[in-house]
Amino acid sequence: LAKTTQPISMDSYEGQEVNITCSHNNIATNDYITWYQQFPSQGPRFIIQGYKTKVTNEVASLFIPADRKSSTLSLPRVSLSDTAVYYCLVGAAISGGYNKLIFGAGTRLAVHP
Amino acid sequence: GAVVSQHPSRVICKSGTSVKIECRSLDFQATTMFWYRQFPKKSLMLMATSNEGSKATYEQGVEKDKFLINHASLTLSTLTVTSAHPEDSSFYICSAGLVNEQFFGPGTRLTVL
Repeated sequence: LAKTTQPISMDSYEGQEVNITCSHNNIATNDYITWYQQFPSQGPRFIIQGYKTKVTNEVASLFIPADRKSSTLSLPRVSLSDTAVYYCLVGAAISGGYNKLIFGAGTRLAVHP
Repeated sequence: GAVVSQHPSRVICKSGTSVKIECRSLDFQATTMFWYRQFPKKSLMLMATSNEGSKATYEQGVEKDKFLINHASLTLSTLTVTSAHPEDSSFYICSAGLVNEQFFGPGTRLTVL
């Protein structure tokens, strides 16, 4: 399982775009990159998943460079409710739901008024 | 999306007693479920993989006789913390796999007095 490295914490203000970068130098060929969000005293919630280039959904974008050794989660125009811990995970997506997930330290994002 | 529930959401017990936590996949069948624990301000730590109809697979350092896991049906896995002690106080989270995604339960807060 590829190890991931993220900043421990980030601060932002409402309405700004937030970019959280994750390093995964040992990513394997069949690994996908998945981001989860966790609020205090709740289980993690899936945000977005990708393999290469760019993926966008209704809440975020995921940018993955050609070498795939890093990825950036982009949250457009954050609000106070985006204050949470964000986890980057790397693993096989095919049957990935059945593979164990190893969580890193995550990035604690604080959005200020 | 798929829903995973946990019961109870919080429990307080006396030291030495056993506590059972249930994890249910509400709208899908899950042959594989996972159990995590999380201490305050820390990341999720995988405890074990629960497989329907077979023995659970425990992560290194997790006592299988302390944390009993039973996955008796395709929608239910239970975690029993036996002879609980104050150091077992934690937030316990389960997840259930479905193809390429894992869905997390809301968590159970265990407090051992």
